[in-house]
Amino acid sequence: GAVVSQHPSWVICKSGTSVKIECRSLDFQATTMFWYRQFPKQSLMLMATSNEGSKATYEQGVEKDKFLINHASLTLSTLTVTSAHPEDSSFYICRATGPGRWETQYFGPGTRLLVL
Amino acid sequence: QQQVKQSPQSLIVQKGGISIINCAYENTAFDYFPWYQQFPGKGPALLIAIRPDVSEKKEGRFTISFNKSAKQFSLHIMDSQPGDSATYFCAALNAGNNRKLIWGLGTSLAVNP
Repeated sequence: GAVVSQHPSWVICKSGTSVKIECRSLDFQATTMFWYRQFPKQSLMLMATSNEGSKATYEQGVEKDKFLINHASLTLSTLTVTSAHPEDSSFYICRATGPGRWETQYFGPGTRLLVL
Repeated sequence: QQQVKQSPQSLIVQKGGISIINCAYENTAFDYFPWYQQFPGKGPALLIAIRPDVSEKKEGRFTISFNKSAKQFSLHIMDSQPGDSATYFCAALNAGNNRKLIWGLGTSLAVNP
């Protein structure tokens, strides 16, 4: 069964609104969470890495004030797309790893965001 | 700079045939090489992975061949089935580098019935 869940699975919002995406590890403690964005027919692009209780580390070119990441607990990380615009429409995927679990690489099922 | 180069970009195979996808890497610090399968609208799922201390790993119809000296690894799908039609990504990871996955650009596989 799924060990990493994401909610919502899809969301449609108006331009200018903020959207929060949750990523939960269901049966292990996720000390590190990764957030990716994927455009159609493209590879996954790493946006940021977050360790529980620490500030996220953003990849070059990713606006940290626009994509807010919180990893306050060992089972939950959130990605908030603030003031979303149509160009933020994409497929957002989280990946969770934990102590002794780094080889397992559990991905969430993804969240489809459409900004109108 | 693309640190993991994947080919081909797309592949069409007849049912029962062998699908072969190749990847090459540059960073010798990589120590874990997974392959992921992704269906449309779904997150990637780990298919099979290999460490550089072995040259081949087989799980069912899926085999990874690894050539450390050439810095290449490949995925072989034996007896390909229509249900295998998906996008396949190779990746590489340096466990000491915050476990970041470096991705290939993906291969779209279509298996004709």
